[in-house]
Amino acid sequence: DGGITQSPKYLFRKEGQNVTLSCEQNLNHDAMYWYRQDPGQGLRLIYYSQIVNDFQKGDIAEGYSVSREKKESFPLTVTSAQKNPTAFYLCASTAGKIYGYTFGSGTRLTVV
Amino acid sequence: KQEVTQIPAALSVPEGENLVLNCSFTDSAIYNLQWFRQDPGKGLTSLLLIQSSQREQTSGRLNASLDKSSGRSTLYIAASQPGDSATYLCAAARTNPNNAGNMLTFGGGTRLMVKP
Repeated sequence: DGGITQSPKYLFRKEGQNVTLSCEQNLNHDAMYWYRQDPGQGLRLIYYSQIVNDFQKGDIAEGYSVSREKKESFPLTVTSAQKNPTAFYLCASTAGKIYGYTFGSGTRLTVV
Repeated sequence: KQEVTQIPAALSVPEGENLVLNCSFTDSAIYNLQWFRQDPGKGLTSLLLIQSSQREQTSGRLNASLDKSSGRSTLYIAASQPGDSATYLCAAARTNPNNAGNMLTFGGGTRLMVKP
């Protein structure tokens, strides 16, 4: 079945560490997105990519980095510069403008 | 800047009731609007997608309407069941000619509890 796979489901980060969240899709979608979800604040866009080797900052990109070396993969790195990284992270993709978004199952990141 | 608001923030109803969830957006120049369901600790599941040229979409017991001129969308759930308990999110899509996909602005969600 086609879909988006996010891993790991749970991730724990120590202070000062960089961690990378994986997002893989087998839907052949060009556009991919990373969102952050905090209680009471809804979903906020971190980064998005419209095509391989190209990506743009979203509304809250500071402290995060991404790469898009393959169409299927869009990993997100949470760097030590992100001061409040504890949140639920969601990856999504879409086939194009007239199509809806498909979301992965999310990664919950906790700073310990 | 687009703002999306969902009212109510939480709703509790007895099983079997028909109910309406509301979504309003400030910029009517949307490309489409999508309704999602989110269970606790899970990702988002797409329920319905309404293109800007459409007035409504139906899937089973769900019906979503769109009124661009008034900046409103509603999600109607018929004969609610305990399994419908979840958070429902609406998202308005804006487009950029240079982008392959649309950009979504999400509402804060409505947390629904259907009691047996």
